[in-house]
Amino acid sequence: TQLLEQSPQFLSIQEGENLTVYCNSSSVFSSLQWYRQEPGEGPVLLVTVVTGGEVKKLKRLTFQFGDARKDSSLHITAAQPGDTGLYLCAGAGGIKAAGNKLTFGGGTRVLVKP
Amino acid sequence: GAGVSQSPSNKVTEKGKDVELRCDPISGHTALYWYRQSLGQGLEFLIYFQGNSAPDKSGLPSDRFSAERTGGSVSTLTIQRTQQEDSAVYLCASSLYDSSYNEQFFGPGTRLTVL
Repeated sequence: TQLLEQSPQFLSIQEGENLTVYCNSSSVFSSLQWYRQEPGEGPVLLVTVVTGGEVKKLKRLTFQFGDARKDSSLHITAAQPGDTGLYLCAGAGGIKAAGNKLTFGGGTRVLVKP
Repeated sequence: GAGVSQSPSNKVTEKGKDVELRCDPISGHTALYWYRQSLGQGLEFLIYFQGNSAPDKSGLPSDRFSAERTGGSVSTLTIQRTQQEDSAVYLCASSLYDSSYNEQFFGPGTRLTVL
């Protein structure tokens, strides 16, 4: 069974602080995606990382994909209350997976207090 | 343009009853996925459809769960003889084609409560 473990499970910070969320797996994935989900809504894709060692920046968000394509991190600089939400990492196209269904991590709930 | 829509948004049912959940994917998307999100289990894959290929049912938790996709568009997830542990949010997603690099667009989900 392919598993993705996210840490921490919950993060509460003050506006302006930085935060990092980690996503680790024992399996290799073809790609790893980060989603954000708000209450009552489905997850919304933030970024897809494909190449080992890849770094992608999306405004204040920086995403890294590990060299071995098994782990990833999401770093938010100068967090704002609008960054509050559930952050989910998801792996696709794993070696043992048929098709491209997503395997999700357990999620990190982020609360940014003003 | 319209995104993925799901109905109903909320469903309360009694244990033992059957329920049907509907998903309307984005027009033109060939791949459709069903996931389940619950407090204890996180977000887990159930089933996916790609074009005319046989669906991947590997994530269905029991034979009480089934799904179909008619005409390559609308999909219905059916749960027979519901149990309390079936209570969860059922999410549907679609993507333009079936690729590990292709974004999956999620609907808002159907919250199922089994009393």
